[in-house]
Amino acid sequence: AQSVTQLDSHVSVSEGTPVLLRCNYSSSYSPSLFWYVQHPNKGLQLLLKYTSAATLVKGINGFEAEFKKSETSFHLTKPSAHMSDAAEYFCVVSDQGKAAGNKLTFGGGTRVLVKP
Amino acid sequence: NAGVMQNPRHLVRRRGQEARLRCSPMKGHSHVYWYRQLPEEGLKFMVYLQKENIIDESGMPKERFSAEFPKEGPSILRIQQVVRGDSAAYFCASSVMAGQNTEAFFGQGTRLTVV
Repeated sequence: AQSVTQLDSHVSVSEGTPVLLRCNYSSSYSPSLFWYVQHPNKGLQLLLKYTSAATLVKGINGFEAEFKKSETSFHLTKPSAHMSDAAEYFCVVSDQGKAAGNKLTFGGGTRVLVKP
Repeated sequence: NAGVMQNPRHLVRRRGQEARLRCSPMKGHSHVYWYRQLPEEGLKFMVYLQKENIIDESGMPKERFSAEFPKEGPSILRIQQVVRGDSAAYFCASSVMAGQNTEAFFGQGTRLTVV
């Protein structure tokens, strides 16, 4: 069984300062990991994904994440927060095997507040 | 190429009524997934369908919930005799193929309110 833990339910940052969203996962296999963003009353948008290639993954809107197998972590960072980054962020792991299709296991989410 | 389309966006039902949620996957996508998001929580997997077949329904409540993905037309998530606890956002995702590395594209969700 797989699981995802997002260590912070809320993160508050000032505009222009770095953002760090923490995520730890549990998986019996080599996982695929994703970060999705959800703006209020909107659907989910993929920020980036790790699929066993480079451990440092660059995504859209200046976000990046680093896969650390020894720490079972996949933290999301951005050097400088923008007001438009205020949203909820989900760390996600993909299930294994073709029979699972693309079944995803979500973390509980981190709500980001950006202060001017 | 339109994205994943869900309708309605908002649905209000009285306790005991039926709710029907529709999802049209992206063009060329034959894999559909339904997720439920309760208030202040992450999304939870409900069911995975491929055209005319239910592949994995391990996340579906045992009663009142059903899903289908017919050969023609959208996927339908059906909730019979709704209760207040069914109030949630229901998201549909689709992918072009199976496999953990394949991106799933999400619709904007249907927000069900049971009064």
